Amino acid sequence: DVKVTQSSRYLVKRTGEKVFLECVQDMDHENMFWYRQDPGLGLRLIYFSYDVKMKEKGDIPEGYSVSREKKERFSLILESASTNQTSMYLCASSLARSPREQYFGPGTRLTVT
Amino acid sequence: AQSVTQPDIHITVSEGASLELRCNYSYGATPYLFWYVQSPGQGLQLLLKYFSGDTLVQGNKGFEAEFKRSQSSFNLRKPSVHWSDAAEYFCAVGAKNTGFQKLVFGTGTRLLVSP
Repeated sequence: DVKVTQSSRYLVKRTGEKVFLECVQDMDHENMFWYRQDPGLGLRLIYFSYDVKMKEKGDIPEGYSVSREKKERFSLILESASTNQTSMYLCASSLARSPREQYFGPGTRLTVT
Repeated sequence: AQSVTQPDIHITVSEGASLELRCNYSYGATPYLFWYVQSPGQGLQLLLKYFSGDTLVQGNKGFEAEFKRSQSSFNLRKPSVHWSDAAEYFCAVGAKNTGFQKLVFGTGTRLLVSP
């Protein structure tokens, strides 16, 4: 069965902290994605990775960075967390051949105080 | 650029009644279309997808969707709603400028089911 896991379901951090959100998929997918989800705004793409060490900015990359050192793992980094980064973060993966559906993890609800 | 519109933020349906959730997309050629469902506190799960062929697509949990090119729509339907269908539903379209590897999502429709 397809599986995307995220390291935490809930996370509370302080303003200015460095935050790491981890995502692992066991499907040997080439593509991985980080989204943030806010009420009334739907899902917005933060970053996209199409291969190890390859990344592409999404629609809202400001304040975030990513790392993909291994195919199965994609990390989202908040260099200096701010209160406006309080949100639900969703990781997804998909095969490289298009068009392909994306498979989602359960999400991490991050609160920055 | 592609875009997806879900005009209804909330919809309330009585249990056992029929359901239609609206989705309109903006794209010049044949799009790749998806419906996802998100239960409270969970990630998104794929309900159904349309790539080509028969414009009426059957999905999980008794849902279906119909692609209508003339109306740029991909509405989701279910003949009889169950209380467990209460969730948020997202329509998405494959983005051509990324070789369709990225998806553009609508803002979602929250379905409430009344007894």
